[in-house]
Amino acid sequence: QKEVEQDPGPLSVPEGAIVSLNCTYSNSAFQYFMWYRQYSRKGPELLMYTYSSGNKEDGRFTAQVDKSSKYISLFIRDSQPSDSATYLCAMSDSGGSNYKLTFGKGTLLTVNP
Amino acid sequence: NAGVTQTPKFRILKIGQSMTLQCTQDMNHNYMYWYRQDPGMGLKLIYYSVGAGITDKGEVPNGYNVSRSTTEDFPLRLELAAPSQTSVYFCASRETGASFFGQGTRLTVV
Repeated sequence: QKEVEQDPGPLSVPEGAIVSLNCTYSNSAFQYFMWYRQYSRKGPELLMYTYSSGNKEDGRFTAQVDKSSKYISLFIRDSQPSDSATYLCAMSDSGGSNYKLTFGKGTLLTVNP
Repeated sequence: NAGVTQTPKFRILKIGQSMTLQCTQDMNHNYMYWYRQDPGMGLKLIYYSVGAGITDKGEVPNGYNVSRSTTEDFPLRLELAAPSQTSVYFCASRETGASFFGQGTRLTVV
């Protein structure tokens, strides 16, 4: 079983739709959870950063972490064509000097106008 | 602030050649990382550094070397380039919290 599983998609939605992106993981030691957005031929850009379980909201984006199920989600409300990108989940078991990120393979999202 | 800057953006290398990918950050971050990203494979950690003078191997270090003589710079050296090293390389840095990435170097070995 891979440490982090992420459905690669592709996912295609109409503008204005609610998008749900998900990752599952097997390492129960993971405590720090991130979502990155990566436009074509660009570097990953941090969207959301959460510690432990719970929800975090930032504008149209909501990140959820369910450690009991080893499942994290990113919701995008009122999706826009500018949200079209690859979304990568990432997680780590430590915030200190041993910090190393484990990434999902990314989900390619297209929002159609 | 420029953040994390990588040079060059693109490079074509012949098998057996060597090159250095440059990475510099202006955020005074102690932690720096090199990743490679292959299609459909996500990001894999090559090397990382927790401060000037300290480096360690990541998941896929073979064929690469790094040095960290200053806080700002973390170059990645490829010796004897091989086709398997064709990839997009990303440098990242952090202090606390999440990592910040550069824009990448797209390397092709032919």
